[in-house]
Amino acid sequence: AQSVTQLGSHVSVSEGALVLLRCNYSSSVPPYLFWYVQYPNQGLQLLLKYTSAATLVKGINGFEAEFKKSETSFHLTKPSAHMSDAAEYFCAVSDLYNTDKLIFGTGTRLQVFP
Amino acid sequence: GAGVSQSPSNKVTEKGKDVELRCDPISGHTALYWYRQSLGQGLEFLIYFQGNSAPDKSGLPSDRFSAERTGGSVSTLTIQRTQQEDSAVYLCASSNGGVTEQYFGPGTRLTVT
Repeated sequence: AQSVTQLGSHVSVSEGALVLLRCNYSSSVPPYLFWYVQYPNQGLQLLLKYTSAATLVKGINGFEAEFKKSETSFHLTKPSAHMSDAAEYFCAVSDLYNTDKLIFGTGTRLQVFP
Repeated sequence: GAGVSQSPSNKVTEKGKDVELRCDPISGHTALYWYRQSLGQGLEFLIYFQGNSAPDKSGLPSDRFSAERTGGSVSTLTIQRTQQEDSAVYLCASSNGGVTEQYFGPGTRLTVT
C-alpha cells in the first residue's frame, strides 16, 4: 500500500531564507503526488501536483517540487520565505487502486521568523 | 463561485450523543470526500462518493460512523454514540473526480466531552 512520510513535523526559517519541506513516498508504481497548504482555521488548498509530466512542478506562491523516482521523494521548496508562508503543509499520494483517493502525510508546520 | 461549505463550524457534544455534520460541495462536482484531522495525525480518509456509484467506506473507523449523499450534492456524516476519541476536525472536500484538485471546506471541529 502507498504511504507518505513527511520528515519534520515543524520547520522554522527566517524570512528570506530557503524553505525545504521533505516528503518521501512509498509506491510500487509511479504515483500522482500533491502538496496542499492549510492556513490557520481554513481548509486545505492545492499548491501543486505531479501527474507524470515534467518532474519539476511549479505551483502557486512561488513554491515548486521535484519528483525524484530514484529517491522516492517529492520535496517542496521555495527560494525565499515570506511571513505569509507560515502554515501547515501536507504531502499526498494517490491511492494505487483508486487515483481519486489521496493518502496524506502527517503534515509539516512551517514557521517564518522576521 | 461558492466553495465547499460545512456546518456547524464547531460542535461540542457529550459522550454517547449522536452528531450530524453537513457538507455542501461545489455545485457540479461529482466526487465528495470526508476526512478526519486529528492533532499530529494528518488527514485520515473516511469515505468517498463518486457520482451514482456505491460509496467507498473503507476508511470509516467503526460502525458508529456513517455518511450519505442526497441527490448527488449535500452530504451528512453521522457519528452515533460519540466517544472522546472522536474529537477532531472533520473536513469535507469535493472534486470533478480523477486526478483533479480536491477543494476543501473549512471543517467542523468536534469536541466530545
